[in-house]
Amino acid sequence: EAGVTQSPTHLIKTRGQQATLRCSPISGHTSVYWYQQALGLGLQFLLWYDEGEERNRGNFPPRFSGRQFPNYSSELNVNALELEDSALYLCASSWGLQITNEQFFGPGTRLTVL
Amino acid sequence: GENVEQHPSTLSVQEGDSAVIKCTYSDSASNYFPWYKQELGKGPQLIIDIRSNVGEKKDQRIAVTLNKTAKHFSLHITETQPEDSAVYFCAATFKAAGNKLTFGGGTRVLVKP
Repeated sequence: EAGVTQSPTHLIKTRGQQATLRCSPISGHTSVYWYQQALGLGLQFLLWYDEGEERNRGNFPPRFSGRQFPNYSSELNVNALELEDSALYLCASSWGLQITNEQFFGPGTRLTVL
Repeated sequence: GENVEQHPSTLSVQEGDSAVIKCTYSDSASNYFPWYKQELGKGPQLIIDIRSNVGEKKDQRIAVTLNKTAKHFSLHITETQPEDSAVYFCAATFKAAGNKLTFGGGTRVLVKP
């Protein structure tokens, strides 16, 4: 069974540009979560989608947005990039709406903002 | 507010010794506490979890204990092996924040052979 996949692996942008990160969940999973992992820090919750709806949002500015497609894959968009947006962005998927369902993580996309 | 504190931030142990990581949480309504292991270049992987109606859970060399009164929970790894070297994260649910997982800052564990 294929795990959670993310693309691209690495992404280099300059300040002010936009970045788009993609995530494909495990087959059968309907929930997708996005986390930001800055260097030396823990995981910060960004967004949670289930069945195409945004279910919860972390304490991040509106320039962080996303969506979930009918096939349950998801996209994270970061507009007006700032230097401090440089981080590893992790996507996780789980089955259903229960927060207690195991979240399976992808390998992440390393975003570097110059 | 929603907060999970994790200690220590780094832990170095001799192979065969035990390792203990402690986390405290702020929301008395929290009811789910997973632990994740992140190896270099990989995403975190769930290794064990505990729900608020249980005080302890074991899985081979790994155990987790929960003290709801004190609002803290701990990960215990016995007979550590080099492959246990990784970053470990605790997490807790925060219903007041829309039922999401909040993670601790992580503990880098190094098992010396």
